[in-house]
Amino acid sequence: EPEVTQTPSHQVTQMGQEVILRCVPISNHLYFYWYRQILGQKVEFLVSFYNNEISEKSEIFDDQFSVERPDGSNFTLKIRSTKLEDSAMYFCASSEEGGSGSETQYFGPGTRLLVL
Amino acid sequence: AQSVTQLGSHVSVSEGALVLLRCNYSSSVPPYLFWYVQYPNQGLQLLLKYTSAATLVKGINGFEAEFKKSETSFHLTKPSAHMSDAAEYFCAVSDSGGFKTIFGAGTRLFVKA
Repeated sequence: EPEVTQTPSHQVTQMGQEVILRCVPISNHLYFYWYRQILGQKVEFLVSFYNNEISEKSEIFDDQFSVERPDGSNFTLKIRSTKLEDSAMYFCASSEEGGSGSETQYFGPGTRLLVL
Repeated sequence: AQSVTQLGSHVSVSEGALVLLRCNYSSSVPPYLFWYVQYPNQGLQLLLKYTSAATLVKGINGFEAEFKKSETSFHLTKPSAHMSDAAEYFCAVSDSGGFKTIFGAGTRLFVKA
């Protein structure tokens, strides 16, 4: 069964460093998402992406964050200068359709980011 | 703004007992509602979703949920718990025209032998 994959599974970085989290969505999906979950808190929406553009983003997704689909298979989340509060589990998701609200989003296993 | 509230951060049941995980939503428009499950070290897996076709929704692994507009609830049930059901469960909501899903805080289900 097709699944969303994410690399790395864990990443430790120093505050102020740049990190890139990678995701490979399901191959025929067109809509891509990033969510994060700070330890002990809710899963929070960060951004959605379609047709090489951001379709929606949350207040969390500030100028420190960017997303990119550098080729036909990868979808990345970059954090330019990490802060302690960026420590969280980051989930990538993809869906075949988008914008209706009823589409099923398929989630990857997550990348646990720890900023020291 | 949309939101979901999950009552009980932890629920413990005996194997074979009824599972009831509570979720209440807040939405100014007809919502789409979801239940996801997260097993240790895995991603979020969709259990079931409500998209207004039927108020009683059946999902995978014997779970079902009933949409009750009058109570703004979407509680998740399973008649008989199995050890393999031990996981974290998330209720979530989205609306038409949007791309984001709003998650509840999650309920961790423990199943005792």
